[in-house]
Amino acid sequence: DQQVKQNSPSLSVQEGRISILNCDYTNSMFDYFLWYKKYPAEGPTFLISISSIKDKNEDGRFTVFLNKSAKHLSLHIVPSQPGDSAVYFCAATNTGFQKLVFGTGTRLLVSP
Amino acid sequence: DAGVIQSPRHEVTEMGQEVTLRCKPISGHDYLFWYRQTMMRGLELLIYFNNNVPIDDSGMPEDRFSAKMPNASFSTLKIQPSEPRDSAVYFCASSPYRGGTDTQYFGPGTRLTVL
Repeated sequence: DQQVKQNSPSLSVQEGRISILNCDYTNSMFDYFLWYKKYPAEGPTFLISISSIKDKNEDGRFTVFLNKSAKHLSLHIVPSQPGDSAVYFCAATNTGFQKLVFGTGTRLLVSP
Repeated sequence: DAGVIQSPRHEVTEMGQEVTLRCKPISGHDYLFWYRQTMMRGLELLIYFNNNVPIDDSGMPEDRFSAKMPNASFSTLKIQPSEPRDSAVYFCASSPYRGGTDTQYFGPGTRLTVL
């Protein structure tokens, strides 16, 4: 039973355009959400997070949007750069808890 | 800081053999996590420790898997006997505790292939 779903296994975008990565969750108890980025042969690294008390969090080129009623979040990267090419994992948890539930990941390819 | 250290980086073994994966967390971190990454299931949490004590092992697939943390600077994940379906990348991660949900820092992973 996949509680966090990333239905697009891959996404291709041209440099300079917007990348939108999507994530859906089924557990209404989740109230804290994170995105991790993973390059080949490396471990995932934390990118950005959002609490359910917000609907948007921005950090430079990266913005995460949360739609609680739809149990959906998205990561926007603007503008996309070739160095953003990686696998992006969405994760969810309850605030204060350390246990994260991850999705299956979306591979982003940004072409020059 | 050297980050989370995992060894070996690659392991190839035959079905039925014992496999031991090792992890050294970041010094001062209170939590240690073991994950498995597969194409079908993404990143799955297997087990995590707080101050060397196992807190949640509900993700451990079966009795063939065991994990220990004898001290704050070392943990092992053992598979005995190994099976081809155990082939995956295994990650160790650690995090401090500052209240809330803290960032987890991942090691580079161990790619396990069971023939």
